Amino acid sequence: SQTIHQWPATLVQPVGSPLSLECTVEGTSNPNLYWYRQAAGRGLQLLFYSVGIGQISSEVPQNLSASRPQDRQFILSSKKLLLSDSGFYLCAWSFLFSGTFSYEQYFGPGTRLTVT
Amino acid sequence: SQQGEEDPQALSIQEGENATMNCSYKTSINNLQWYRQNSGRGLVHLILIRSNEREKHSGRLRVTLDTSKKSSSLLITASRAADTASYFCATDEGGTSYGKLTFGQGTILTVHP
Repeated sequence: SQTIHQWPATLVQPVGSPLSLECTVEGTSNPNLYWYRQAAGRGLQLLFYSVGIGQISSEVPQNLSASRPQDRQFILSSKKLLLSDSGFYLCAWSFLFSGTFSYEQYFGPGTRLTVT
Repeated sequence: SQQGEEDPQALSIQEGENATMNCSYKTSINNLQWYRQNSGRGLVHLILIRSNEREKHSGRLRVTLDTSKKSSSLLITASRAADTASYFCATDEGGTSYGKLTFGQGTILTVHP
């Protein structure tokens, strides 16, 4: 069976510091990978998605970036955090090729980021 | 942008009652999905309904889809305290979207024992 891991679970960082959040998936190959941000426990905003190693698409311009150095590893980064970067960050995966062209997403446990 | 809009924003019911949540969206879709989120946790996929389907059941869940009105509803029958969570609809526009989902703002459901 497939599992998805995220770490750290919680993070408190000062404004202007760098950020690195990691997501890994086990039990599947060539997944689609996604990063979301959720503010105030409501509504998810898609930040990045990836259909393969080194292939990253950005949905929202911001000071965040994403990388996919390995097939099942997805990293969210920032060089300098802003107060507005605080939120709940969720990683998700889906099958790359679905015979029904319907992609259910499977979410990790999330990382709570507080920028002070 | 948030395509799906859930209604109501919050719903409070007693155990055993039915809970109905609605979702409206703006563009054509390939499918619509419902997810549940317990407080402080990741989302869990509940059910997916394709654009050519009108109704789908899974256990105590019943989902309807009306593509002419661009709306969907999620019915939870015989609710339990454990159903307390936030519920989100998400739309998949299909095509070359690579499974990207657009989530609504969610409905917070509270089921009182």
